[in-house]
Amino acid sequence: QQPVQSPQAVILREGEDAVINCSSSKALYSVHWYRQKHGEAPVFLMILLKGGEQKGHDKISASFNEKKQQSSLYLTASQLSYSGTYFCGITNRGNAGNMLTFGGGTRLMVKP
Amino acid sequence: DAGVTQSPTHLIKTRGQHVTLRCSPISGHKSVSWYQQVLGQGPQFIFQYYEKEERGRGNFPDRFSARQFPNYSSELNVNALLLGDSALYLCASSFGVYTEAFFGQGTRLTVV
Repeated sequence: QQPVQSPQAVILREGEDAVINCSSSKALYSVHWYRQKHGEAPVFLMILLKGGEQKGHDKISASFNEKKQQSSLYLTASQLSYSGTYFCGITNRGNAGNMLTFGGGTRLMVKP
Repeated sequence: DAGVTQSPTHLIKTRGQHVTLRCSPISGHKSVSWYQQVLGQGPQFIFQYYEKEERGRGNFPDRFSARQFPNYSSELNVNALLLGDSALYLCASSFGVYTEAFFGQGTRLTVV
């Protein structure tokens, strides 16, 4: 089942912070965050695994709450380059391999 | 350091035709996954291959098939094309089955 992302869209001024949430109706095994700019491929940002392991960019942080079955992506001191659509992709228990189920995306626009 | 490469970048086909899309993973990566992305939505999982074996299949009809070659490159084949197959087809490369995945630039398929 597709994870639910919120908010659907957000507009920021440069330097402001944002939080993007991703919720699953099933137990999570891993959460993968990507940013996609218009007409381009999704770019890997971060992977969070059940058990606490994380890998990703230095300037982006995220949390993984197993009990609440959700993850949040924290964008601090936003830059113009942060604009794009953010997707979370999840794997649940029982998924084969890295079969990612993506949410509908959060559109982020950073203005000067 | 070459990333994931896909070919062709754009393709126009007629309903009922067949199409083959190609993907070369990042050097050293052994897993390739295929995703379909319709405009305005998140990518949808089609297949995952690891070491030439299918490790996962999404909810797509049998008209969709794929394979992975000894050099870890992959092909996605779609038979009897429908208008609804028009989408961006993304290939993602990962070292293992459960590790982070990196996307190629995609093949934009238009069925007329």
